Amino acid sequence: NAGVTQTPKFRILKIGQSMTLQCTQDMNHNYMYWYRQDPGMGLKLIYYSVGAGITDKGEVPNGYNVSRSTTEDFPLRLELAAPSQTSVYFCASSKTGGDTGELFFGEGSRLTVL
Amino acid sequence: QKEVEQNSGPLSVPEGAIASLNCTYSDRGSQSFFWYRQYSGKSPELIMSIYSNGDKEDGRFTAQLNKASQYVSLLIRDSQPSDSATYLCAAYNNNDMRFGAGTRLTVKP
Repeated sequence: NAGVTQTPKFRILKIGQSMTLQCTQDMNHNYMYWYRQDPGMGLKLIYYSVGAGITDKGEVPNGYNVSRSTTEDFPLRLELAAPSQTSVYFCASSKTGGDTGELFFGEGSRLTVL
Repeated sequence: QKEVEQNSGPLSVPEGAIASLNCTYSDRGSQSFFWYRQYSGKSPELIMSIYSNGDKEDGRFTAQLNKASQYVSLLIRDSQPSDSATYLCAAYNNNDMRFGAGTRLTVKP
């Protein structure tokens, strides 16, 4: 099993550009999450989804959008990139939700906005 | 504000010693608590979960929870150089998993 796959692994954007971080999982998990991790900081939740067609904001949603048209895919859209969005982005999935703690993370996408 | 606080370290212990990592959380509604390990440049992986007050042991790892004090800890016995990583504490409440900034642990041979 591939688990959670994120693409791209690295990307450099110019201020004002837009892009989409792709995330797909092959474990048939209902719950999916997007986190960002700044240097020396913990993970901060951007958006999450409890199933296809359902998304909700996390702690730091501003400047991002998501969609969940299928169980497998949960892309994260960055509109009008800003230097403050320079970070490592992790997609994660969970079978039963965070109450059991078993979040499966992708390898991360390192984004730099210049 | 729902905060999870950890001492950022670095915490350095000799091989074979006990490493003690601590965490406090502010959201009294938090139901479940977790410790994730993150190697440099890698993604986090779950190593321990704890849901009720007291101790929970799994191999060399022991998690401790005190809800009255809003305190979670992780003990690593017989620390090995391979345990060198950043340890993230997390608290869960209603689809919201909050992570601390992590404690960097170095185990010296």
